[in-house]
Amino acid sequence: QQQVKQSPQSLIVQKGGISIINCAYENTAFDYFPWYQQFPGKGPALLIAIRPDVSEKKEGRFTISFNKSAKQFSLHIMDSQPGDSATYFCAAGAAGFQKLVFGTGTRLLVSP
Amino acid sequence: ETGVTQSPTHLIKTRGQQVTLRCSSQSGHNTVSWYQQALGQGPQFIFQYYREEENGRGNFPPRFSGLQFPNYSSELNVNALELDDSALYLCASSTRLAGGDTQYFGPGTRLTVL
Repeated sequence: QQQVKQSPQSLIVQKGGISIINCAYENTAFDYFPWYQQFPGKGPALLIAIRPDVSEKKEGRFTISFNKSAKQFSLHIMDSQPGDSATYFCAAGAAGFQKLVFGTGTRLLVSP
Repeated sequence: ETGVTQSPTHLIKTRGQQVTLRCSSQSGHNTVSWYQQALGQGPQFIFQYYREEENGRGNFPPRFSGLQFPNYSSELNVNALELDDSALYLCASSTRLAGGDTQYFGPGTRLTVL
């Protein structure tokens, strides 16, 4: 019940295209859903996060879509750029306890 | 940059040895969480410290222990190192607020156990 399932494992997108990464969770106690970007040899950096009271959140080229009934959320990267090539992790956390449960990651490659 | 610093950057130890990793949290943050990230995997929660006390623990054995100091910096200690302990160790700092909060990660310490 603590798992967060992430797909796809890897993704290749052309420059200017839309990258879409999906995550699903089981634990209904989760109420905080961040996405992190990680470059090789670096720590994860927060991209964008959402709580279940909204179905979508947009920050620049990054959008989270959240479906509470399906227990799924996704990251959309619009106008993908080569500099977006990195590993992306979804995560989930529960109120009152700040442990984050991470997905297994998606390696994104944006071709020039 | 998040303002979270970790030391050392890299470390090589042999099986059976002990290691101490250090983390300085971002200014104003009173909570530090430690994660282990094996190669090609997502970070796995080890434990969290709030106000110098352990505030939750993941599925890690007791040979993984920690400390938090009055200035909110933290240490992760691992005894009797095993080959499978080779990983990137990440600390994340945050401010403890109801409803969860953003965790800011440091650059990590790469531990190699030979």
